[in-house]
Amino acid sequence: AQKVTQAQTEISVVEKEDVTLDCVYETRDTTYYLFWYKQPPSGELVFLIRRNSFDEQNEISGRYSWNFQKSTSSFNFTITASQVVDSAVYFCALSEDYGGATNKLIFGTGTLLAVQP
Amino acid sequence: GAVVSQHPSRVICKSGTSVKIECRSLDFQATTMFWYRQFPKQSLMLMATSNEGSKATYEQGVEKDKFLINHASLTLSTLTVTSAHPEDSSFYICSARETGGLSNQPQHFGDGTRLSIL
Repeated sequence: AQKVTQAQTEISVVEKEDVTLDCVYETRDTTYYLFWYKQPPSGELVFLIRRNSFDEQNEISGRYSWNFQKSTSSFNFTITASQVVDSAVYFCALSEDYGGATNKLIFGTGTLLAVQP
Repeated sequence: GAVVSQHPSRVICKSGTSVKIECRSLDFQATTMFWYRQFPKQSLMLMATSNEGSKATYEQGVEKDKFLINHASLTLSTLTVTSAHPEDSSFYICSARETGGLSNQPQHFGDGTRLSIL
């Protein structure tokens, strides 16, 4: 069965610190996709990244970077030089590829990141 | 970019009222839309998958007659919470994925609807 675990419920950092949000997943499929979404206090979900199971290259986008390691079933997210605007709940999600249009997203429980000024 | 509009953003109503929530894909077509529910400080739980032109697929434990879903066009899905009660109070959020293209295109989410039943 699919499962996504975000063990860190809440993290508090001071502005300019680096912070890593952990995500561990379980799946029996060899083809799957991993996602990160950001949910600010206003509630909307903002898509950050999608990674397929065959691409283990790490990705960097500005202050954000992602480390995908199949060997440990982890897809961790690092924010460098954090800012107050980064304060939000971050969700990791998994979707298995059935080749159709109705691939469900399974969300982790989320990590609340509070960046203090 | 792909935009999903969800309306209304907030509803406060009396117990027993039926509430309709709309989810529209503004600049793309979506054969499939998803409806999620999120309780305070919890994760998003998929309620149902809405398929254009056919019946929705509900997740285990979700009452079909309580949460009516209609996906009449490629840009609009609606969720109606029938005879809502206080325990239905929650944050409801929809998402849509573009029709065609690669499977597992990212889902684009609406801004959510905060439903409060008095």
